[in-house]
Amino acid sequence: EIVLTQSPGTLSLSPGERATLSCRASQSVSSGYLAWYQQKPGQAPRLLIYGASNRATGIPDRFSGSGSGTDFTLTISRLEPEDFAVYYCQHFGTYLSTFGPGTKVDIK
Amino acid sequence: EVQLLESGGGLVQPGGSLRLSCAASGFTFTSYPMTWVRQAPGKGLEWVSSLTGSGDTTHYADSVRGRFTISRDNSENTLYLQMNSLRAEDTALYYCAKYLRSGGDWAFDYWGQGTLVTVSS
Repeated sequence: EIVLTQSPGTLSLSPGERATLSCRASQSVSSGYLAWYQQKPGQAPRLLIYGASNRATGIPDRFSGSGSGTDFTLTISRLEPEDFAVYYCQHFGTYLSTFGPGTKVDIK
Repeated sequence: EVQLLESGGGLVQPGGSLRLSCAASGFTFTSYPMTWVRQAPGKGLEWVSSLTGSGDTTHYADSVRGRFTISRDNSENTLYLQMNSLRAEDTALYYCAKYLRSGGDWAFDYWGQGTLVTVSS
């Protein structure tokens, strides 16, 4: 079973700053099977990125995904007030799926 | 517009059973695999179970295998999760979600708002 590790656990930044979130897999994974989600308090998760680098429908271009193998990154180029939330990476295996523990982006 | 509406959550005693439903609309239900994901209070996301569009292939997390059963009624556009032998650690908000179809890329592109299951005596 592939284990996903996200870092940092919490990222404290100011609006307008750049956020770089890391997701590391315990073994190499196919980029097509790596996704990123945003979750705000009291809301369901929202798909941001699929296939490691493809923005989902309606996602602003300040969100971008990159990486391959075991190391993947979600970048928010300039944080807007609505971007402060928890972000999860996800991997799809042959018969199961796993989520990382999440990175909380909060206001500095 | 894609909509997923979960129901069936509630308070149940340890060892009890509950059946969750997820009513889907706004897309061709039979064409998409579906899934259940749960989130314990204050915790992260945990994938629970998935099944194919036809319903003939199912997958489960180790934590629920043998106790939970996922199914779907394509004539009613509804996804189900039958939960038996419930434990305190099954307490969570249960989301249903739809699989994305985009070439070889996988993700859950639409989510319901969740239904809360509390297992307690």
